[in-house]
Amino acid sequence: GAVVSQHPSRVICKSGTSVKIECRSLDFQATTMFWYRQFPKQSLMLMATSNEGSKATYEQGVEKDKFLINHASLTLSTLTVTSAHPEDSSFYICSAVVGQETQYFGPGTRLLVL
Amino acid sequence: AQSVTQLDSQVPVFEEAPVELRCNYSSSVSVYLFWYVQYPNQGLQLLLKYLSGSTLVKGINGFEAEFNKSQTSFHLRKPSVHISDTAEYFCAVSERADTDKLIFGTGTRLQVFP
Repeated sequence: GAVVSQHPSRVICKSGTSVKIECRSLDFQATTMFWYRQFPKQSLMLMATSNEGSKATYEQGVEKDKFLINHASLTLSTLTVTSAHPEDSSFYICSAVVGQETQYFGPGTRLLVL
Repeated sequence: AQSVTQLDSQVPVFEEAPVELRCNYSSSVSVYLFWYVQYPNQGLQLLLKYLSGSTLVKGINGFEAEFNKSQTSFHLRKPSVHISDTAEYFCAVSERADTDKLIFGTGTRLQVFP
């Protein structure tokens, strides 16, 4: 089946540093990947759509200069949280589209900014 | 604009009892409907999806859901739950014209007691 991995699974960083999260499709190619964030006991909120070979599309209210997305290849998308602050602490989940309708999700990355 | 409502934030149930998790959606266009399950500290796993055809959809782990267009509902059911079904369940919708973007409900915490 379609497998999506994320690395790292959890990261702790100091306020002001940048953190990179990788999302990989392991057994398929994905022209489109998505990045979500999930606060404790809340639903997933779409942050941006990552398109291979082009700029990401950000949802309203998401700062594109703070959350840098690079879709370097058909199997890899990265999310970089620049100058992270405690309020950026969250669970970040990526997904990749298989076919035309179904998204398969990665296991998530828990970010804690101290 | 689309929206998804999961009326029950928590559903406690005893093992081997039946369960129904409710989901209602709002959309002015035709939609695809999904149920995902999230175990603690993990990403989302697809349980089942409705794209077209039969309104009764069967998924993994013995779950099924029925699409009711007139009531704009897509309730999830299981005739006999197990302890291992304890998890967070999310209903999601995407527009057929824009199948890439998923809108999630707020989730229902299913807790199965022995």
